[in-house]
Amino acid sequence: DAGVIQSPRHEVTEMGQEVTLRCKPISGHNSLFWYRQTMMRGLELLIYFNNNVPIDDSGMPEDRFSAKMPNASFSTLKIQPSEPRDSAVYFCASRLLAGDTGELFFGEGSRLTVL
Amino acid sequence: AQKVTQAQTEISVVEKEDVTLDCVYETRDTTYYLFWYKQPPSGELVFLIRRNSFDEQNEISGRYSWNFQKSTSSFNFTITASQVVDSAVYFCALSANSGYALNFGKGTSLLVTP
Repeated sequence: DAGVIQSPRHEVTEMGQEVTLRCKPISGHNSLFWYRQTMMRGLELLIYFNNNVPIDDSGMPEDRFSAKMPNASFSTLKIQPSEPRDSAVYFCASRLLAGDTGELFFGEGSRLTVL
Repeated sequence: AQKVTQAQTEISVVEKEDVTLDCVYETRDTTYYLFWYKQPPSGELVFLIRRNSFDEQNEISGRYSWNFQKSTSSFNFTITASQVVDSAVYFCALSANSGYALNFGKGTSLLVTP
């Protein structure tokens, strides 16, 4: 079975450019999470969705960040305009049930470098 | 508020040594869930274990064991007879109630040398 699929795996862009990260959760999973990992701050939750509805976006750094989940099999995280401090690894994860306590299954991450 | 503290930033051991990774958590919820994940050098996050707050039984899985103590708010992870392949960053995480996201500690980087 396919796991969580993220694209692109690596992105290098220049400050001010728009960046779109994509995620396909495991089929049948009803919760989706976006995390950011940096050396300084570790793994931070940005936003999560239950049944395609955003539940908690308090971790989204500022208005430059936006996330959508138009359907159960696809989500995007957009940064516009990007800044060097946005450089990080962005992980998408999914969980089987929205009201579950089960583990999160993570994608391989998207490594973003903003020059 | 929930918080997970992994006080050990880096640990280095020689192969076959036992090593314990510490995890201390804070939460006001009476129902919560604790997790450990492994992040090998390749970068992916691999689930290791989940434990709920009502189950204080220790668990053993091969060379891995976990000690959950509510009295000290700790959920420590021990690797017995460590191997080079155990080299990774290990994260402890906490989730309160159902359907919530995981709050991760900063991680402990374990290096096992031959």
